[in-house]
Amino acid sequence: DVKVTQSSRYLVKRTGEKVFLECVQDMDHENMFWYRQDPGLGLRLIYFSYDVKMKEKGDIPEGYSVSREKKERFSLILESASTNQTSMYLCASSTIRGQLSNQPQHFGDGTRLSIL
Amino acid sequence: QKEVEQNSGPLSVPEGAIASLNCTYSDRGSQSFFWYRQYSGKSPELIMSIYSNGDKEDGRFTAQLNKASQYVSLLIRDSQPSDSATYLCAPRGLNEKLTFGTGTRLTIIP
Repeated sequence: DVKVTQSSRYLVKRTGEKVFLECVQDMDHENMFWYRQDPGLGLRLIYFSYDVKMKEKGDIPEGYSVSREKKERFSLILESASTNQTSMYLCASSTIRGQLSNQPQHFGDGTRLSIL
Repeated sequence: QKEVEQNSGPLSVPEGAIASLNCTYSDRGSQSFFWYRQYSGKSPELIMSIYSNGDKEDGRFTAQLNKASQYVSLLIRDSQPSDSATYLCAPRGLNEKLTFGTGTRLTIIP
């Protein structure tokens, strides 16, 4: 089974802090994604990456950056945390190998981040 | 118009009945379609995927796809209380990205 591991389930930080959320997958997947999920807004894509050192902006990249130095690890960085970044953050990975219908995104357990 | 539309619910279904969840999408380039189940406070988990027009069955679950109508549905037969969750529809376009609907909240009534 695919395992996507997020470093923290719950995190509390203060406004203005630099926050790092880490995600590791163990299936040699090419693609990795960061989402945030808020009530009534669903899952919104922040950033994604097709390969090491590559990154693409999603729908809501403002206030965030990412790093992918190794294939299995994708980090989300909040440069200067603000209260409107309080949310559930979800990491996912997927492969480009095999048939299209067999290439879903697999999610980690999520990090519930509170910015005070 | 939203890219992926789902009835937000809540949809209440008696235990043992069939639950029918619907989804329409706007991107005609969507190649494959995924249904995820999400329990409250948990992350989404994949339950079905479909690529070709028609029906695909997996146990109590049946996914139906009609690309001409830009419509995908999920049927859950013999609904169980454990099926109570939010169901997310997610078409995938050519760029590996999934676009998620806001989900339908399903409640199975014992």
